[in-house]
Amino acid sequence: GAVVSQHPSWVICKSGTSVKIECRSLDFQATTMFWYRQFPKQSLMLMATSNEGSKATYEQGVEKDKFLINHASLTLSTLTVTSAHPEDSSFYICSASTRGLLSNQPQHFGDGTRLSIL
Amino acid sequence: KQEVTQIPAALSVPEGENLVLNCSFTDSAIYNLQWFRQDPGKGLTSLLLIQSSQREQTSGRLNASLDKSSGRSTLYIAASQPGDSATYLCAVEAHSGSARQLTFGSGTQLTVLP
Repeated sequence: GAVVSQHPSWVICKSGTSVKIECRSLDFQATTMFWYRQFPKQSLMLMATSNEGSKATYEQGVEKDKFLINHASLTLSTLTVTSAHPEDSSFYICSASTRGLLSNQPQHFGDGTRLSIL
Repeated sequence: KQEVTQIPAALSVPEGENLVLNCSFTDSAIYNLQWFRQDPGKGLTSLLLIQSSQREQTSGRLNASLDKSSGRSTLYIAASQPGDSATYLCAVEAHSGSARQLTFGSGTQLTVLP
């Protein structure tokens, strides 16, 4: 149980394109979803936290107009990288949890999306 | 601000060896500590989770310890196999603002040679 599906797994696109990444919880309701970014040989850095039906909370230094997060249902969150540029190329990973922000339920991770901007 | 450090950054061992990966964190006010495995280009697989009140957890050939007061954890892998080759990430969960968040180390890249 507790499967998180992330799509697409890999995307290559031209500079200036907007890219949408989906994160779905397949067998549980994800009240809270998290989006992380990982550069090569570096750690996962939290970008934002979202609760279903609410606006996402972004970490310091993450541009909310650049990285649009929508968590419209208990099983789906999307991250849209608007007008992507080569410096946005990275590995993006989502995770989902079954309860609210103060929950002690573990985060379940997707397989990540490799984004390459030419 | 919580910082998590993992040593070594990379490790190469022959098959069959026992090995220890190290993790340290700066703020001992944590809910738990987790060890994850990450294969190249893939997401994370949770290996072991130690609650702040616990000292260790075991799963098969893996044993993780936690010394919260000193801000340290170790992951012990017994009788290593080539299939254990991956990056191992340590993460602590703590309160940040109004939420619980995971802070990750940068990982130890393990290669087990056949």
